[in-house]
Amino acid sequence: EAQVTQNPRYLITVTGKKLTVTCSQNMNHEYMSWYRQDPGLGLRQIYYSMNVEVTDKGDVPEGYKVSRKEKRNFPLILESPSPNQTSLYFCASSKGLAYGYTFGSGTRLTVV
Amino acid sequence: DQQVKQNSPSLSVQEGRISILNCDYTNSMFDYFLWYKKYPAEGPTFLISISSIKDKNEDGRFTVFLNKSAKHLSLHIVPSQPGDSAVYFCAARRSGNEKLTFGTGTRLTIIP
Repeated sequence: EAQVTQNPRYLITVTGKKLTVTCSQNMNHEYMSWYRQDPGLGLRQIYYSMNVEVTDKGDVPEGYKVSRKEKRNFPLILESPSPNQTSLYFCASSKGLAYGYTFGSGTRLTVV
Repeated sequence: DQQVKQNSPSLSVQEGRISILNCDYTNSMFDYFLWYKKYPAEGPTFLISISSIKDKNEDGRFTVFLNKSAKHLSLHIVPSQPGDSAVYFCAARRSGNEKLTFGTGTRLTIIP
């Protein structure tokens, strides 16, 4: 089944403790992206990647890092999480925008 | 700066009637528009799209209309069904840019 898989689905952590949210797609898509969803703000792009070793900032990149060492994986790294990063995170991939994005099921992160 | 706006946070429609969801954008460079549907605890799923060279695109019960001069698009669902109850996001992009800019979403509730 073609899909984008995120892990974990739920995570509660403490301020300052480094964490990684993994994202993997099995569709051989070149384009991958991370979004966060917050009430009243919709989906905002954090980082995106056009291909292996090619990444760039989205609208809200502060406090996040990404890497794209292989085509299928695009992990999101929070080096020192803060409470304002409490949010619902979505990873997405695409083979071309005419086809739309395929989204993962989301990761609900709470930073206390 | 919210470049894609959905001014109605929620909408309730009787089953069998027409649902109309609206979206406005401010960036005249946008030339491709998409609608996504999101159920709780799931990622958004691609619904329908339209290119700026068209003013209408239809797919079964779903039709998207684009009014470029007004920078406005709408999604019509006819007839509305209980399974259509979800949050709907409109999104926009411009040529040569894979990035999608999302609106804040409209929660549609279909009343049986």
